Amino acid sequence: GENVEQHPSTLSVQEGDSAVIKCTYSDSASNYFPWYKQELGKGPQLIIDIRSNVGEKKDQRIAVTLNKTAKHFSLHITETQPEDSAVYFCAAKRSGYSTLTFGKGTMLLVSP
Amino acid sequence: NAGVTQTPKFQVLKTGQSMTLQCAQDMNHEYMSWYRQDPGMGLRLIHYSVGAGITDQGEVPNGYNVSRSTTEDFPLRLLSAAPSQTSVYFCASSSRGDLNTEAFFGQGTRLTVV
Repeated sequence: GENVEQHPSTLSVQEGDSAVIKCTYSDSASNYFPWYKQELGKGPQLIIDIRSNVGEKKDQRIAVTLNKTAKHFSLHITETQPEDSAVYFCAAKRSGYSTLTFGKGTMLLVSP
Repeated sequence: NAGVTQTPKFQVLKTGQSMTLQCAQDMNHEYMSWYRQDPGMGLRLIHYSVGAGITDQGEVPNGYNVSRSTTEDFPLRLLSAAPSQTSVYFCASSSRGDLNTEAFFGQGTRLTVV
């Protein structure tokens, strides 16, 4: 089955800095890679996703890059703000499958 | 829009007790799943369903039962609670197909087994 590794487990940055979270996956047939943000006491919420036919996708301050050959993808957050503080999860899924395989999560702390 | 609704939000059980965690979605999604979240372990799949009447086991199914009698509901049953089942439980739903695959999560149920 699929295995998703996520690093780092914790990340502390100053407000305004950039933050990068990296994930690797094992199943070369995976073709959908979402990123979820989980705020304290809430369920995970999708913030951005990318499919295997695309190398990069941006949405305002967040971007995701995908390297299919190396089987890794990354989340980039620029100009971080205190409200970006949360746990971030990467995930992977194969076409036709109904469930996601998640990484173990990254706790991002943005200090004012 | 209600989305995915989980009840209860908090629950304390004694070892050996049984209970059912409720999950309902109003988006007419075919796929539903249950995850547990433990510190440092991420989200691990317990059971999932691809449609009414169809369920299957995930990564950590032991000690849990599920059923899917309707599209909207996917309850998770603990038959005899154990301290190892202390966790936060999340239900998720998504639609079938490759174009619209976002998974929507409920707010979670925090379960403590003493």
